[in-house]
Amino acid sequence: QSVLTQPPSASGTPGQRVTISCSGSSSNIGSNIVNWYQQLPGTAPKFLIYSNNQRPSGVPDRFSGSKSGTSASLAISGLQSEDEADYYCAAWDDSLNGHWLFGGGTKLTVL
Amino acid sequence: QVQLQQSGPGLVKPSQTLSLTCAISGDSVSSKSVAWNWIRQSPSRGLEWLGRTYYRSKWSNDYAVSVKSRITINPDTSKNRFSLQLNSVTPEDTAVYYCARSADIVAGAVAFDFWGQGTLVTVSS
Repeated sequence: QSVLTQPPSASGTPGQRVTISCSGSSSNIGSNIVNWYQQLPGTAPKFLIYSNNQRPSGVPDRFSGSKSGTSASLAISGLQSEDEADYYCAAWDDSLNGHWLFGGGTKLTVL
Repeated sequence: QVQLQQSGPGLVKPSQTLSLTCAISGDSVSSKSVAWNWIRQSPSRGLEWLGRTYYRSKWSNDYAVSVKSRITINPDTSKNRFSLQLNSVTPEDTAVYYCARSADIVAGAVAFDFWGQGTLVTVSS
């Protein structure tokens, strides 16, 4: 049971904009940055967004992130078929001597 | 470019020890600005961070509370790699295990920026 809560699924048609939410608490999202990862089937997670809203080099600007209070969101605009994947949020949690937490993941389907 | 190459058995018997190794290229296990992590993924537990090893002025480890009594992560500076040992495994430890580097992408912003390919470890007799 993940402490970071994500919807299990999301969907959209090509060209649409979709958002994925990630809800936490004061000990994780409320006091630390949020990162997002994309996982294509059968592969390792890929670094997608860091520090709430920053993109590593090579990540298209169609991907954006935001954070407010104890929640964060990932937005994907101009949806493409290759965006079909699982998406995970992650944040450091200050409780229990500190540890990394991941969301339960959201499976994005491009219809 | 950093690359992480995992190795180790895919089948472990209950009560035995799970052992995996992660070989690093393009960086040093002794680098003072990163940490070396083990993360696992299973349908029941999702992505679960297990622990990390890192060097600043000395070697340190941090472990998840859920596995703290059973886990050891060790650096191997002679071979530029690090390892995971998980003792007394049960079928609940069946998962895909990943090694990953966490780094300060910018000041105060740490993220897992490079991952190993993953190893499916099944705990079964």
